[in-house]
Amino acid sequence: DQQVKQNSPSLSVQEGRISILNCDYTNSMFDYFLWYKKYPAEGPTFLISISSIKDKNEDGRFTVFLNKSAKHLSLHIVPSQPGDSAVYFCAASKEPIQGAQKLVFGQGTRLTINP
Amino acid sequence: DTAVSQTPKYLVTQMGNDKSIKCEQNLGHDTMYWYKQDSKKFLKIMFSYNNKELIINETVPNRFSPKSPDKAHLNLHINSLELGDSAVYFCASSRPYGELFFGEGSRLTVL
Repeated sequence: DQQVKQNSPSLSVQEGRISILNCDYTNSMFDYFLWYKKYPAEGPTFLISISSIKDKNEDGRFTVFLNKSAKHLSLHIVPSQPGDSAVYFCAASKEPIQGAQKLVFGQGTRLTINP
Repeated sequence: DTAVSQTPKYLVTQMGNDKSIKCEQNLGHDTMYWYKQDSKKFLKIMFSYNNKELIINETVPNRFSPKSPDKAHLNLHINSLELGDSAVYFCASSRPYGELFFGEGSRLTVL
């Protein structure tokens, strides 16, 4: 039962253009959403998050949009840089358990930025 | 100075053996986790400890036993290894309600 889905296994974008990564979820109880970035042979690194009370959160070149009615979120990277080439994971959680986030991850999208 | 460190990074072993993966964090976090990334690349939570207390225990075979000697360490011991245990295991830590910081992963291969 895949509660968080990233339907695009890969995405290729020209350097300087906008990268848009998408994520869908099925569990309406999720109230906190995160994006992680992962380079080969490294652990996932936190990128940006959004609470369900917001529909947009921005941090530098990264913006996450949340559409609760569609159960959809997206990550926009603009402008895209070669160092952004990585696998991006979407994750969601509902009420923390004693402060612990029980994150449910999508299967990732491999982003390649072409010079 | 690595924030969340795991050892070993690579582990190759035979079916039926027992192995352990160690994890240490120097971030001062109270909560630590073990996640498993399977062959389909999904990251799934296995366990979480808060200040040495087990608070999340997903449907994981009894052969997997986490141990937290103190809040900076969370080890994973696996008995009677099976082929299906081959995966990358990630340790993570967090502040209460905060984002998770992951280690580099430990790739376990069971032959």
